[in-house]
Amino acid sequence: DVKVTQSSRYLVKRTGEKVFLECVQDMDHENMFWYRQDPGLGLRLIYFSYDVKMKEKGDIPEGYSVSREKKERFSLILESASTNQTSMYLCASSPEVPANTGELFFGEGSRLTVL
Amino acid sequence: GDSVTQMEGPVTLSEEACLTINCTYTATGYPSLFWYVQYPGEGLQLLLKATKADDKGSNKGFEATYRKETTSFHLEKGSVQVSDSAVYFCALILSGGYNKLIFGAGTRLAVHP
Repeated sequence: DVKVTQSSRYLVKRTGEKVFLECVQDMDHENMFWYRQDPGLGLRLIYFSYDVKMKEKGDIPEGYSVSREKKERFSLILESASTNQTSMYLCASSPEVPANTGELFFGEGSRLTVL
Repeated sequence: GDSVTQMEGPVTLSEEACLTINCTYTATGYPSLFWYVQYPGEGLQLLLKATKADDKGSNKGFEATYRKETTSFHLEKGSVQVSDSAVYFCALILSGGYNKLIFGAGTRLAVHP
């Protein structure tokens, strides 16, 4: 089974702190994604990566950056956390371009609270 | 722009009741359509999909038919179980190129005994 592991299930940070959310997948997938999930808004794409060291902005990249130094790891970085970044963050991966199959494999999520 | 609209939840049903969760979409091209499910404490997982008009996706007793004329992809199940309690997301993706999945807001289903 594909496993996407997010390092922290729950985090509480203070405004202005730098926050790292880590995601690791164990199935050699080319593509990785970061979404945030908010009630009534569904999932919104923050960034994605289709290869090591490659990254592309999604719909809401402002206030975030990413790093993909190794194929299996995709990190989301909040340079200076703000209260409006309080959310559930979901990492996903896929072996193919999503348009081919539409199937993403998701981690369990990281719930971030910024005080 | 391209979008997915789902019925608002929560939907609360008794065990063995019939379920319909409505989903309609707006798309500039010809999308593939999906239902994802998120069980409590777990990540989203693909439940079913349909890639062209009149296709029916099915899995675990759930079904959805791609209706191009009504731009809909409603999720149905004839008899729900407590274990079906989850959040259900409708999604679409346009064909060609490196397109991204577009998700609806999600509909929470609660089934009680």
